[in-house]
Amino acid sequence: SQKIEQNSEALNIQEGKTATLTCNYTNYSPAYLQWYRQDPGRGPVFLLLIRENEKEKRKERLKVTFDTTLKQSLFHITASQPADSATYLCALDMHSNYQLIWGAGTKLIIKP
Amino acid sequence: DAGVIQSPRHEVTEMGQEVTLRCKPISGHNSLFWYRQTMMRGLELLIYFNNNVPIDDSGMPEDRFSAKMPNASFSTLKIQPSEPRDSAVYFCASSPTDSSYEQYFGPGTRLTVT
Repeated sequence: SQKIEQNSEALNIQEGKTATLTCNYTNYSPAYLQWYRQDPGRGPVFLLLIRENEKEKRKERLKVTFDTTLKQSLFHITASQPADSATYLCALDMHSNYQLIWGAGTKLIIKP
Repeated sequence: DAGVIQSPRHEVTEMGQEVTLRCKPISGHNSLFWYRQTMMRGLELLIYFNNNVPIDDSGMPEDRFSAKMPNASFSTLKIQPSEPRDSAVYFCASSPTDSSYEQYFGPGTRLTVT
């Protein structure tokens, strides 16, 4: 079955630097992949979606890449700020149009 | 728009009691999802509605769980009887698409069953 791996250890980054989070998956490539942000005590917030035929997607300071050969997506935050501190989740479709497999998330801490 | 609204935000109940969680999706959204989140298992899809119709309830743990969507602006998730292992945060999410694209999550209901 499809599995997702996100770095379970917290990622500490100095303010102003680029933060890079990784989402690895096994087995077949998803039709698309989504990234969400989750703050403590709140629901996930949708950030970006990238399709299997797309290499890269950008939104303001955010960039997502998708490498189906490596079975990996990278999520970048440039010019990181303490307000970017949160847990970031990746989610893959299961070619079912509504069923997603969710990663456990990576906690990002941006130090001032 | 106020976003997805869930109530209650916190629920503490004793084992064996009935629990009802409520959700008001964003107006105009076609799809509604109920999720459960725990440290051990992460986010799990319980049930998916499209245009108020349950499409897939295979994620519902067992017959103690049931969900309804009587109209486009309201859904409930009921657990009867509740058990300690049901303790988790339950999220409702809606999407403007007929798929899992771009889901908007509510604040969640933290359920504790003692």
